[in-house]
Amino acid sequence: GIQVEQSPPDLILQEGANSTLRCNFSDSVNNLQWFHQNPWGQLINLFYIPSGTKQNGRLSATTVATERYSLLYISSSQTTDSGVYFCAVRANFGNEKLTFGTGTRLTIIP
Amino acid sequence: GAGVSQSPRYKVAKRGQDVALRCDPISGHVSLFWYQQALGQGPEFLTYFQNEAQLDKSGLPSDRFFAERPEGSVSTLKIQRTQQEDSAVYLCASSPGWEKLFFGSGTQLSVL
Repeated sequence: GIQVEQSPPDLILQEGANSTLRCNFSDSVNNLQWFHQNPWGQLINLFYIPSGTKQNGRLSATTVATERYSLLYISSSQTTDSGVYFCAVRANFGNEKLTFGTGTRLTIIP
Repeated sequence: GAGVSQSPRYKVAKRGQDVALRCDPISGHVSLFWYQQALGQGPEFLTYFQNEAQLDKSGLPSDRFFAERPEGSVSTLKIQRTQQEDSAVYLCASSPGWEKLFFGSGTQLSVL
């Protein structure tokens, strides 16, 4: 099946810093989503972005489908940004399931 | 409802007991997914429904796991004869179609 790798696995930043999270995938995809799992375990959908660039406030994401990667940018980090960020993809040729990556654990220090 | 609702939030079972986990998706959402998340890992796919049809159950780890969605809305994930390795958070997600998935808060299952 499709492989999804995220980097870095862990990131510790001071409040106000910017960060870039990366997601690499092994095959062509028709669906890519970024999620934030907060410390209480709730998965929040941040972006649906199979290609192109989107922005939502301090967050933006870019997917370069032809090169099989996506980037999530977080600017002016706040402590509420802490948690685990997952990228999830659906392969072009396969079933309906989303395959999740390994996650990036982000800790924002006040 | 406003979001995906799962119950119970926490479940403790003795090894060998049967458990049933409920998922109430967002009204009108056609697609429903179950995922299993072990501690420190990403969610792993279990099964997928489109309305009442279970179209993919390839992720169910054994025949002790069974899921249903008889009327195309509420879904139940049943685990028979629970084992310690079944301990995990079980997540339900729904989607109106092809794009974004919306997850519930999950059921944390602990098998003693």
